[in-house]
Amino acid sequence: DGGITQSPKYLFRKEGQNVTLSCEQNLNHDAMYWYRQDPGQGLRLIYYSQIVNDFQKGDIAEGYSVSREKKESFPLTVTSAQKNPTAFYLCASSGTSGGSSTDTQYFGPGTRLTVL
Amino acid sequence: EDKVVQSPLSLVVHEGDTVTLNCSYEVTNFRSLLWYKQEKKAPTFLFMLTSSGIEKKSGRLSSILDKKELFSILNITATQTGDSAVYLCALGSGGGADGLTFGKGTHLIIQP
Repeated sequence: DGGITQSPKYLFRKEGQNVTLSCEQNLNHDAMYWYRQDPGQGLRLIYYSQIVNDFQKGDIAEGYSVSREKKESFPLTVTSAQKNPTAFYLCASSGTSGGSSTDTQYFGPGTRLTVL
Repeated sequence: EDKVVQSPLSLVVHEGDTVTLNCSYEVTNFRSLLWYKQEKKAPTFLFMLTSSGIEKKSGRLSSILDKKELFSILNITATQTGDSAVYLCALGSGGGADGLTFGKGTHLIIQP
């Protein structure tokens, strides 16, 4: 089945540690995104990538880093510089329609990160 | 800066009622407005409204876009307990594939 997978489902981190969240898609989508969701809040854009080997900062990129070495994969690293990393992290992807990129994003199941 | 405001933030109704969820927005370069349903984890896509498609309907759910007044509504008729969820409104803008701007969501609870 086509879809987006994220791992792990739950992640616990000690202060000062870097952690990497995995996101893989087999939808053949060019664009991939990372969002953060805090309780009672909407999603906020961290980073996005429209094509392999290229990515751009979103609204809240500080303390995060990404890579896009393969079309299928877009891992997110939460660094120790991120002051309040406890949140629900969602990865998404979008494809093209009629040759143009489409805004319809499809989401993975998310990773819940807790800093101890 | 693009902005999305949803109202109400929470709503409790009884099964069988009709509900209307609101989404107003401010945008520099409008491309699309999307509605998602989030039950516990991943948001699932409901509708995308654009300049060429300002009304969408699927079963008991429907949505309209008013580009002049800068708002959208999501209507759910004959509500069921399975409709209980957070409904998110999101804005697509700019040149393309730039990421969406989300509102805080409306938490809808359907009581039996």
